Amino acid sequence: ETGVTQTPRHLVMGMTNKKSLKCEQHLGHNAMYWYKQSAKKPLELMFVYNFKEQTENNSVPSRFSPECPNSSHLFLHLHTLQPEDSALYLCASSQEPPSLSPYNEQFFGPGTRLTVL
Amino acid sequence: EDKVVQSPLSLVVHEGDTVTLNCSYEVTNFRSLLWYKQEKKAPTFLFMLTSSGIEKKSGRLSSILDKKELFSILNITATQTGDSAVYLCAVTFSGAGSYQLTFGKGTKLSVIP
Repeated sequence: ETGVTQTPRHLVMGMTNKKSLKCEQHLGHNAMYWYKQSAKKPLELMFVYNFKEQTENNSVPSRFSPECPNSSHLFLHLHTLQPEDSALYLCASSQEPPSLSPYNEQFFGPGTRLTVL
Repeated sequence: EDKVVQSPLSLVVHEGDTVTLNCSYEVTNFRSLLWYKQEKKAPTFLFMLTSSGIEKKSGRLSSILDKKELFSILNITATQTGDSAVYLCAVTFSGAGSYQLTFGKGTKLSVIP
């Protein structure tokens, strides 16, 4: 595996379900990100992790809970989601975290298409 | 309010045409502007611009930043059907003591044979 991988690629869940999205990067990067991409809306940055430490949380509802056990893996735990949370969730990584260098190129994974019924 | 505005939102051209995509922004403490190409799912990086007037070029694609007028353009010459994609512009800036990154809504480019 190379680059940034995400699983599952598609997920359908009910509002009472609990599920997790997984992201793994094989690039040796130190920073990882979660983004949400909804139809007809700009890509939204949700969370930023630097060396496993969360550095940014852009006013994301608590029903989204990130976890970063090491610098290569990132999870997004989902519980009691709403239909409006249906979107494409993208993971990305960069060599350095934004706090050290905001000029980093980010490498994106293929995304998880989430549908909440 | 939108901090990053891209125009046009969609564009249809014929192969061989030249296109110019626009990205204007309104932020304080600007750090960088990035262009991405999104074909199916994952956006792929094209350019990062930090200084005014310096053109970045990669094959048929080029981009330039104007920090005085707060905009950037992405040019694609001799377009091909493989250029069909959504082109995303993003701006990084410092705000409230933390790092911020905001994307525009994107320009959907369709190149027809």
